[in-house]
Amino acid sequence: NAGVTQTPKFRVLKTGQSMTLLCAQDMNHEYMYWYRQDPGMGLRLIHYSVGEGTTAKGEVPDGYNVSRLKKQNFLLGLESAAPSQTSVYFCASTPDGSWPETQYFGPGTRLLVL
Amino acid sequence: DQQVKQNSPSLSVQEGRISILNCDYTNSMFDYFLWYKKYPAEGPTFLISISSIKDKNEDGRFTVFLNKSAKHLSLHIVPSQPGDSAVYFCAARGNPGGSQGNLIFGKGTKLSVKP
Repeated sequence: NAGVTQTPKFRVLKTGQSMTLLCAQDMNHEYMYWYRQDPGMGLRLIHYSVGEGTTAKGEVPDGYNVSRLKKQNFLLGLESAAPSQTSVYFCASTPDGSWPETQYFGPGTRLLVL
Repeated sequence: DQQVKQNSPSLSVQEGRISILNCDYTNSMFDYFLWYKKYPAEGPTFLISISSIKDKNEDGRFTVFLNKSAKHLSLHIVPSQPGDSAVYFCAARGNPGGSQGNLIFGKGTKLSVKP
């Protein structure tokens, strides 16, 4: 089992460019999350999904869109990147919302927007 | 407005001694608290948790204490080892009693254990 994987590991974008971050999990988890971590800050929830075909907004959703077309994949899109979106992005998954300690995190995607 | 606060950005401890990491929260409805450990270039990994109906939970060298009246929890590591050097995040279940399962994180405390 690979657990939670994220693609790419690192990316540099210019302001206004678009990109998609891919999160994949092979644990058959229902719930998936996208967080961002800025320097000196904790992780903040961007969007989440409680099952295939569902998405919902988290704490900081502006400037991002998500899709969960397949249970194992959760995509995070930036339509027009801004320097304020420079951050490290973490994806996580869990079987359901009952037991937070079963939330597994991916290794992160470091994004730099110039 | 931060709901989970870790006011110490860093902590340095000698190997073999006790490490105490602190966390405060503002929302009295939080029902579950967790500590995550994070190494550079890796995602956070779960360390230990505590339900709001308990005041202590122990797992090997790690113990978490919860003081609900003070809205304060702490993580004790005894004895500290150099491999414990990492960033430690305090987190609370963000949707008490609900089903979102998301976590609200503090800013983290960087622990350095010196040999």
